[in-house]
Amino acid sequence: QKEVEQDPGPLSVPEGAIVSLNCTYSNSAFQYFMWYRQYSRKGPELLMYTYSSGNKEDGRFTAQVDKSSKYISLFIRDSQPSDSATYLCAMRRGGPGNQFYFGTGTSLTVIP
Amino acid sequence: GAVVSQHPSRVICKSGTSVKIECRSLDFQATTMFWYRQFPKQSLMLMATSNEGSKATYEQGVEKDKFLINHASLTLSTLTVTSAHPEDSSFYICSARDPASGMETDTQYFGPGTRLTVL
Repeated sequence: QKEVEQDPGPLSVPEGAIVSLNCTYSNSAFQYFMWYRQYSRKGPELLMYTYSSGNKEDGRFTAQVDKSSKYISLFIRDSQPSDSATYLCAMRRGGPGNQFYFGTGTSLTVIP
Repeated sequence: GAVVSQHPSRVICKSGTSVKIECRSLDFQATTMFWYRQFPKQSLMLMATSNEGSKATYEQGVEKDKFLINHASLTLSTLTVTSAHPEDSSFYICSARDPASGMETDTQYFGPGTRLTVL
């Protein structure tokens, strides 16, 4: 079983839709959770960084962590064509220097 | 803050030549840097982890004599693809991390990537 599972998609939604992207994981020791956005032919950029369970909101983006279910989500409200990209989740255990585990990425297209 | 640069952004070379890619953390000290490879429409594949001043740790299946990594300072790591062949053509991405920055900011910051084409 992979440490982190992420549906690769592709996911296609109309402009203005609410998008839900998800990852599941198997290691209950993970405490830090990240979402990266990667445009075609570019390096990933950090979108959201959360610790432990709960929600974190930044503009149109909301990151949600449910540690009891080992499930994390990224919600995008009022999606825009510029949100079209691949979204990767990542996570790690607590403590300094711990290894990062990445999902395979979900490809999202927002249709105008 | 937390900007990572890569140079060059694109390189085309002949088979058999060596290519060096630089990765720099511009506004923080990166005690650890990572090198990834990514094929079209596929996920990141970790190649190696390098810590400043010590030898890189390579992932299984990655030839350390072919992909030479040097992390000579806290802001610079280089990846040299030696005797490059067409199958080495790929998108190479580095990332940098400063574990000493504190738990709230200890994450990986990625460079923009380098597209290598070997003819």
